[in-house]
Amino acid sequence: DTEVTQTPKHLVMGMTNKKSLKCEQHMGHRAMYWYKQKAKKPPELMFVYSYEKLSINESVPSRFSPECPNSSLLNLHLHALQPEDSALYLCASSQEESSYNSPLHFGNGTRLTVT
Amino acid sequence: AQTVTQSQPEMSVQEAETVTLSCTYDTSESDYYLFWYKQPPSRQMILVIRQEAYKQQNATENRFSVNFQKAAKSFSLKISDSQLGDAAMYFCAYRGYGNKLVFGAGTILRVKS
Repeated sequence: DTEVTQTPKHLVMGMTNKKSLKCEQHMGHRAMYWYKQKAKKPPELMFVYSYEKLSINESVPSRFSPECPNSSLLNLHLHALQPEDSALYLCASSQEESSYNSPLHFGNGTRLTVT
Repeated sequence: AQTVTQSQPEMSVQEAETVTLSCTYDTSESDYYLFWYKQPPSRQMILVIRQEAYKQQNATENRFSVNFQKAAKSFSLKISDSQLGDAAMYFCAYRGYGNKLVFGAGTILRVKS
């Protein structure tokens, strides 16, 4: 069983749609992450939240908008996406962003298809 | 910047046999952690094993063990008594002072029955 829960598991959306991906963890972790992963490639970091504040934005296009309502929840709001944004979106958490010895715990991901 | 290299895009192993996945990295930092993650078709990235650079003893988790050679900047993963459930993509990853998790390109492991 995963300790990081992501919903939905699959999402198909048109280029004019607005949708949101959700991520939840109850391990008391204070750092949460969004990654994008293309098939047979490693995950690419998009955003990092530390203590509910945006810590890192890896120059992600503004059509992706992250939100961290509280320490357990992380959302990714999607608007006007392009077909090339189709990918697996992974959420992860760790005890602290600054603790490099704490591993990241990943969710099962949301498979996004943009039509 | 730190880099992680996995030179084996794909590997195959017979069930019950042993296989070793290679990983090398480049860094100028003195302390860091190295990780192996497994990603089966179910998609979840699962932590397999981790190693602190300051610890000389190689980490072991049941059938999984590492050969950590700090001077050579090498961190290979050995899977003993391979099982069908070990089939997955394996990522080697580095995390140092910069805190970002740097992944290698991954190795697809196929297990033959």
